[in-house]
Amino acid sequence: NAGVTQTPKFQVLKTGQSMTLQCAQDMNHEYMSWYRQDPGMGLRLIHYSVGAGITDQGEVPNGYNVSRSTTEDFPLRLLSAAPSQTSVYFCASSPFQGGSEKLFFGSGTQLSVL
Amino acid sequence: KNEVEQSPQNLTAQEGEFITINCSYSVGISALHWLQQHPGGGIVSLFMLSSGKKKHGRLIATINIQEKHSSLHITASHPRDSAVYICAAPRNNQFYFGTGTSLTVIP
Repeated sequence: NAGVTQTPKFQVLKTGQSMTLQCAQDMNHEYMSWYRQDPGMGLRLIHYSVGAGITDQGEVPNGYNVSRSTTEDFPLRLLSAAPSQTSVYFCASSPFQGGSEKLFFGSGTQLSVL
Repeated sequence: KNEVEQSPQNLTAQEGEFITINCSYSVGISALHWLQQHPGGGIVSLFMLSSGKKKHGRLIATINIQEKHSSLHITASHPRDSAVYICAAPRNNQFYFGTGTSLTVIP
């Protein structure tokens, strides 16, 4: 099992460019989520999904889009990158919604927006 | 105010010392997670607990749901324990994270 696969590991964008961060899990997990990690602020939830076809906003959703067309994949789209989106991004999955099961994290994406 | 507070922010210990990291939360939850972030950035789940105590090797986690407080203890600390430890409180399908405790264990 690969677990949670997150790509790319590093990315540099110019302001206004768009890109998609990929997240895939092979554990048949219902719950998938995206976080950003900024110095001194801890992890913050961007968007989450409790199953295919279902997504919802987290604490900091502005500037990001998600979709969940399959159980395995949960891509995060930046439509028009801004310097404020410079951060480290993590994808995570869990067997069930509700928070009563362990979270499995991807290896992270370090994004710089110039 | 962050819904999950951790203390201390930074902790330096000598090898072999007993270490305690604290987590307090204001949200009403039924479980709490402890995570470990390695120096390379990867995050792994250590514990998920809803009551009492859990032990895994030299790591012990306790929780008091009524007092909204959890502690992570490391016995006989070792330099390989150096990492950032993060507590996370789930509520309504959303996770709220502490800012982390950066632990350095000196040989």
